[in-house]
Amino acid sequence: SQQGEEDPQALSIQEGENATMNCSYKTSINNLQWYRQNSGRGLVHLILIRSNEREKHSGRLRVTLDTSKKSSSLLITASRAADTASYFCAVETSGSRLTFGEGTQLTVNP
Amino acid sequence: DAGVIQSPRHEVTEMGQEVTLRCKPISGHNSLFWYRQTMMRGLELLIYFNNNVPIDDSGMPEDRFSAKMPNASFSTLKIQPSEPRDSAVYFCASSLHNSPLHFGNGTRLTVT
Repeated sequence: SQQGEEDPQALSIQEGENATMNCSYKTSINNLQWYRQNSGRGLVHLILIRSNEREKHSGRLRVTLDTSKKSSSLLITASRAADTASYFCAVETSGSRLTFGEGTQLTVNP
Repeated sequence: DAGVIQSPRHEVTEMGQEVTLRCKPISGHNSLFWYRQTMMRGLELLIYFNNNVPIDDSGMPEDRFSAKMPNASFSTLKIQPSEPRDSAVYFCASSLHNSPLHFGNGTRLTVT
C-alpha cells in the first residue's frame, strides 16, 4: 500500500467538536505535511512537521509525529462548518518526492 | 500573487485526440510538479521539474504522456493520443527550494 495512509476515510462531527485524523507511512521521511482540499479546488498547505519534531501548532491545528510508529495525527479543535473539506497527509522522502495519502473527508455539521 | 494558474479548467475531448494542459507556476518558484487525482488512485505524482529540468518522471504512466518546461514560467503536460482512462483532475503545483507545494485549481479532463 502507498505511503501516507489516512484514517478514518470519512469523519462527520458537530460544530464545536474536535476532529482527529491519523496518517501512517512506511519509510524514512524528511518531513510530513498536511493539506486541505475543498471540493473542486486545489490542495492548500496547512502545516509541515520535520522528522526531528514531535509536535507543532498553528492556530486551531495541532500536529504530532511519532517516527518510531511512523504515524502522525492532525487535530482540529473547535471545528467550524467551514472546516468541511478533505484532508491529506503527504510525506517527503529522499529526492524531495512528496507522496500523498488518499485523504480523510471531514464533514462538520452546523 | 495570482498563485499557480492552470488552463483550461475543464477539457472534454474524444478518445484519440491530443490534449495539452498548461501551467504557470508562482513567480520565483524553482520546482514544478504535475499530479493526477482520481477516485480510484488518489493523488499520483506524474513528474517534477527543478530549475526547468525534469528530475523524476517515473510516475508518467505511458509514452502517451509527455511534459515540458521550456522556461521558469510555463509548463505543459501533453497526452497523445488520449484514452477514456486518462479522465481525471490534473494538478500543477510549484514550490521554492522544497518548501510546501502551492497547487493550482486543476484541469478536469474528460475523455469520451
